[in-house]
Amino acid sequence: NAGVTQTPKFQVLKTGQSMTLQCAQDMNHNSMYWYRQDPGMGLRLIYYSASEGTTDKGEVPNGYNVSRLNKREFSLRLESAAPSQTSVYFCASSGGLRGTQYFGPGTRLLVL
Amino acid sequence: QQQVKQSPQSLIVQKGGISIINCAYENTAFDYFPWYQQFPGKGPALLIAIRPDVSEKKEGRFTISFNKSAKQFSLHIMDSQPGDSATYFCAAAYNQGGKLIFGQGTELSVKP
Repeated sequence: NAGVTQTPKFQVLKTGQSMTLQCAQDMNHNSMYWYRQDPGMGLRLIYYSASEGTTDKGEVPNGYNVSRLNKREFSLRLESAAPSQTSVYFCASSGGLRGTQYFGPGTRLLVL
Repeated sequence: QQQVKQSPQSLIVQKGGISIINCAYENTAFDYFPWYQQFPGKGPALLIAIRPDVSEKKEGRFTISFNKSAKQFSLHIMDSQPGDSATYFCAAAYNQGGKLIFGQGTELSVKP
């Protein structure tokens, strides 16, 4: 039982490049989330998916897109990376919208 | 606009002392207030949570105090240990769904 897994662990991009961050959970959770963590800013919600087939914007969605591929997987795509997107990205899942959120280990992204 | 404000940003406590972290919120629609603990290089994990119908919740050495009229809540760590050294985040959620709004985080260091 791995919980929430994220790939890659670390990535360096050049400005304008694209990439997809992968997230998978094996807890049969309905809801999944993407956050970014920046010093002094806490965790900010980028996008979330309340259930398979639905996605909604969070607090800071600009520059990102998401895909809820199936119940297990929720990916985050940066179409044209910018230095402002340098951050640590966390995926989380929960059994319902009111449930405890379980976080993955994070992806550290550096955009040059 | 930061809906959940957390203080202090950093805290140093001696082993055996009491660590206190405070949070204030603005939106009276919030009805779920969790605290998350994050160790370096790891994702956050739920530590303890409270709903506004109670004024205090205790789990071992960790206690949440909640003041609904003041729109404030705090985390108290009794008999603080070096193993408690981590970053702590308060959060709040709306009753319409599970989106968590996080505070800025407090980096706690417990000195031996």
